[in-house]
Amino acid sequence: AQKVTQAQTEISVVEKEDVTLDCVYETRDTTYYLFWYKQPPSGELVFLIRRNSFDEQNEISGRYSWNFQKSTSSFNFTITASQVVDSAVYFCALSEALRGNEKLTFGTGTRLTIIP
Amino acid sequence: ETGVTQTPRHLVMGMTNKKSLKCEQHLGHNAMYWYKQSAKKPLELMFVYNFKEQTENNSVPSRFSPECPNSSHLFLHLHTLQPEDSALYLCASSQVPGQGNSPLHFGNGTRLTVT
Repeated sequence: AQKVTQAQTEISVVEKEDVTLDCVYETRDTTYYLFWYKQPPSGELVFLIRRNSFDEQNEISGRYSWNFQKSTSSFNFTITASQVVDSAVYFCALSEALRGNEKLTFGTGTRLTIIP
Repeated sequence: ETGVTQTPRHLVMGMTNKKSLKCEQHLGHNAMYWYKQSAKKPLELMFVYNFKEQTENNSVPSRFSPECPNSSHLFLHLHTLQPEDSALYLCASSQVPGQGNSPLHFGNGTRLTVT
């Protein structure tokens, strides 16, 4: 069975600080995909990144970066120089390659508050 | 026009009412989904439609009845709901599942309160 754990329920940091959101996953599949989504107060989840299990390269997109470590089954997300607009709930998710989105497992989310 | 549009944004209904949630996507996707988001719980997948055919029913009670008349529209018909069904219901769309596990595009959700 798949499982995604986001141990940090809520995090608050002061604007311009860096913050890392943790994600640990469990799966028996050798081929899988990992995702991060952002849910601002407006409600819709916004796709941020997809990473497949064969690509362990870290990725950077502007102030966002992701650290994928298969050895520890983790896919952590770092925001550098945080801004108030980064305040949202962030979800990590995992899907099997074959079943795709029909078996997408979400974590419980981390509520991030950026204090001005 | 946003990619995935859900109406209404908020809905309050009694346990004996019948109502419907509507979702429309303008992204040319072939798969649509209903998710339930309750406080302090992971998002729960309810239904999946590929090319208008239902491919997943995640043990959802029969008081929730989905309908997908075409690849762009998805409905969730509600009847005889319980207070514990109060939640945010999110619609999403994607390219057909399995094709590279394409990301989901979500709507803003319908906040449902059952009294």
